[in-house]
Amino acid sequence: TQLLEQSPQFLSIQEGENLTVYCNSSSVFSSLQWYRQEPGEGPVLLVTVVTGGEVKKLKRLTFQFGDARKDSSLHITAAQPGDTGLYLCAGAGGGSNYKLTFGKGTLLTVNP
Amino acid sequence: KAGVTQTPRYLIKTRGQQVTLSCSPISGHRSVSWYQQTPGQGLQFLFEYFSETQRNKGNFPGRFSGRQFSNSRSEMNVSTLELGDSALYLCASSLGVVGTEAFFGQGTRLTVV
Repeated sequence: TQLLEQSPQFLSIQEGENLTVYCNSSSVFSSLQWYRQEPGEGPVLLVTVVTGGEVKKLKRLTFQFGDARKDSSLHITAAQPGDTGLYLCAGAGGGSNYKLTFGKGTLLTVNP
Repeated sequence: KAGVTQTPRYLIKTRGQQVTLSCSPISGHRSVSWYQQTPGQGLQFLFEYFSETQRNKGNFPGRFSGRQFSNSRSEMNVSTLELGDSALYLCASSLGVVGTEAFFGQGTRLTVV
């Protein structure tokens, strides 16, 4: 069974601070996706990382895929209240396994 | 193009009843996956359908079932509802290729009383 552990589970910071969220597994994934979910809504895809060591930037968000494709991190620079939400990582397995395995998420609150 | 549409958005049912949820994927997407989301367990995979065939299944009891139609629309059914089935049910649409991106609907909030 492939499992993804996300840390921290909860994070409350002040506007302007930086933060990093981690997503770790003992399994190798063919790709890893990050989503943000707001209350009462479905998750919205932020980025997909595919290659080990890959780094992708989306404005103030930086995503990194570990060299061994078992872990990933999300770094937010100068957080804003609009960044508040549940951040989920999801790994896609290889072979014929088309399903996504989700971590339990990091609930981020950015206070003004 | 239109996103993933789930209906209804909210449902209240009584224990023992059954419920059917619907999901219309993004046009051209042949894969529909269903997930149950609860505060304690997070997002848990129920099953995935691709071209009308169930291709993957999670670890849920047989009370949870689904199907997919020729137009890729999918339905999920839960029979003999239990209080613990209260959750946000999400469907995700994708091309169905390994590592492909999944796009989620807004979900159906099911409350069992």
